[in-house]
Amino acid sequence: SQKIEQNSEALNIQEGKTATLTCNYTNYSPAYLQWYRQDPGRGPVFLLLIRENEKEKRKERLKVTFDTTLKQSLFHITASQPADSATYLCALDLRTGRRALTFGSGTRLQVQP
Amino acid sequence: EPEVTQTPSHQVTQMGQEVILRCVPISNHLYFYWYRQILGQKVEFLVSFYNNEISEKSEIFDDQFSVERPDGSNFTLKIRSTKLEDSAMYFCASSVLARGHYGYTFGSGTRLTVV
Repeated sequence: SQKIEQNSEALNIQEGKTATLTCNYTNYSPAYLQWYRQDPGRGPVFLLLIRENEKEKRKERLKVTFDTTLKQSLFHITASQPADSATYLCALDLRTGRRALTFGSGTRLQVQP
Repeated sequence: EPEVTQTPSHQVTQMGQEVILRCVPISNHLYFYWYRQILGQKVEFLVSFYNNEISEKSEIFDDQFSVERPDGSNFTLKIRSTKLEDSAMYFCASSVLARGHYGYTFGSGTRLTVV
């Protein structure tokens, strides 16, 4: 069956450290993979997109990697701050089949001051 | 920064009643979406809309759901006869392109409670 798996447990880290969140998928062939941030009671906010032929993408303190062989994306936040505390969602943009984004269940990140 | 606007922010309705959720997408976006999120669960795709017609829909989007773009700016989701299990946050989103390059812009959502 098709699955998108993100760390189901909350990730707790100290301010200033690097947070690394994982997105694994099975039986999908994404053309693009996107990461969103979601705060409680709010809609997802787009952060970064990476294409299937890209290995890494950076934006300020954010870095995304994409390994289509491992079927995995890693999302890194360097020099994390308490304001980075939120749920982070990965979303697949498939090459075939459904054209709208398919979301994972998200990982809650808590950055302790 | 352009925004997707959703109204109302909260709606409480009795089971069996009809509800209409409203959205104003970003003006130069061409693709529109409805997603829902049941409390504590993942964001689930309902329907996408392009060029004044549904381009795809999920298995959740059954005959009790419909969408409309009545006036070129608003984009609505109607639930004809609400059930308790329709209680969720409903998010409208829009995008410039169908895929790639840019992400989706989501609204803040409508929290629908069916009692």
